[in-house]
Formats: sequence, C-alpha cells, structure tokens
Amino acid sequence: DTGVSQNPRHKITKRGQNVTFRCDPISEHNRLYWYRQTLGQGPEFLTYFQNEAQLEKSRLLSDRFSAERPKGSFSTLEIQRTEQGDSAMYLCASSTRRDRNTGELFFGEGSRLTVL
Amino acid sequence: AQSVAQPEDQVNVAEGNPLTVKCTYSVSGNPYLFWYVQYPNRGLQFLLKYITGDNLVKGSYGFEAEFNKSQTSFHLKKPSALVSDSALYFCAVSLRSNDYKLSFGAGTTVTVRA
Repeated sequence: DTGVSQNPRHKITKRGQNVTFRCDPISEHNRLYWYRQTLGQGPEFLTYFQNEAQLEKSRLLSDRFSAERPKGSFSTLEIQRTEQGDSAMYLCASSTRRDRNTGELFFGEGSRLTVL
Repeated sequence: AQSVAQPEDQVNVAEGNPLTVKCTYSVSGNPYLFWYVQYPNRGLQFLLKYITGDNLVKGSYGFEAEFNKSQTSFHLKKPSALVSDSALYFCAVSLRSNDYKLSFGAGTTVTVRA
C-alpha cells in the first residue's frame, strides 16, 4: 500500500503519560500536515511541514505538543503530560506542491488517542 | 480568518433521488474550496475542488459542486444517489495565500436508503 500510514492506530494512556504518533507520508510528497478531529467535529489544523521545515503551528498546539520531520520523510507528533482533553483522532496528511493549484491532501486513517 | 458552515448534520435520501449537501464559507480573500468524504473506518478522501475557472466542478463518483460567489456557497450534488454514497461529508476552505491550511466544516452524515 502506498498511501499515508499512521501508527499506532489506537493508543490508550493514563493522564500524565507521554505518547508519540508516527506518520509515513506518500514517498514523493514534500508537504506533511497534522490535524486533530474530535467527535462530531471536522478536522482542525495543527501543523505543517514542507520537507523538514515546520512552517506553521496552530495555537491549538500547546507547549506539550511537539512535531518533527527529520530528513523530510516520516513525521512524529509527541504529546507530553497528556490530559483528558487531548483525547481525539490525530490525522496525518501529505501532498505535493508539484502542481501549485492541486490543493488535494491525502489523509491517513488516523491515530486515535484515549486518555483515561 | 476562514471558516465553513454545514447547516445540516444529517441528510437522508432514497436511492435514485438527487442528493445535495450544503456548504457556505467565509474568507477574507480568494478561496480554495474542497469536498472530502469519510467512509466508516477509512481515512478522509478527496472528492473535488474549486480553485478557479468554471463555477461547476466535477469530481469522483459522479459528484459535482457549484461555486457561488454571491451566496458564498459551495453545495455538493449528485443527480442520482446510491446506497454506497452513505458516508460523512466534509466541506473545507483555504486561502490562496496559505493553501496548506484547510478549515473544515463539522460534517454532514448522508444516509441513502434502498
């Protein structure tokens, strides 16, 4: 399968623990995005990478959240000292800027976080 | 600032009937508009987009949408719905100046009954 891959698919953790999610984008895509989706809501933008550079972070990303994309390939999203309010589906997407007007994002199936 | 509104949480139609899913947007600039679909236990999938040009855009699975600048709307339509069209549909908007940041609506659940 050559789509966007996310791991783990589901993580259950206790409040205060740290969690890390991994995203492997489509190989030729230089843009990578993280979104968060809570029940009954649409996805909310968290952050965006172009190659290895993190170009924008949403104010939704508190200092407990950090995202990296070393070498411009896979990306990790770490949440430190998790809180129950962090429970959500974390979505990764990738795209190419080969065509400036494409605007189409390819989403993974998401990583669901449950904080007890 | 940019946002979209999907006024209907649910849309129910009979198979073979026309399907319309409503979306209105608010942006301070020229919008890029998108529709995505989410099937159960599947990731979001791109359906279609409006970037520029013809106001009527055609996408996957027989769906189309019409960009209406005066009404700031981008309604999704399909002339004849199928049971397999039952899914969660999201409208999204971005600005040409920051086309990487999509703002999604809350979604509309479409149920097509046989």
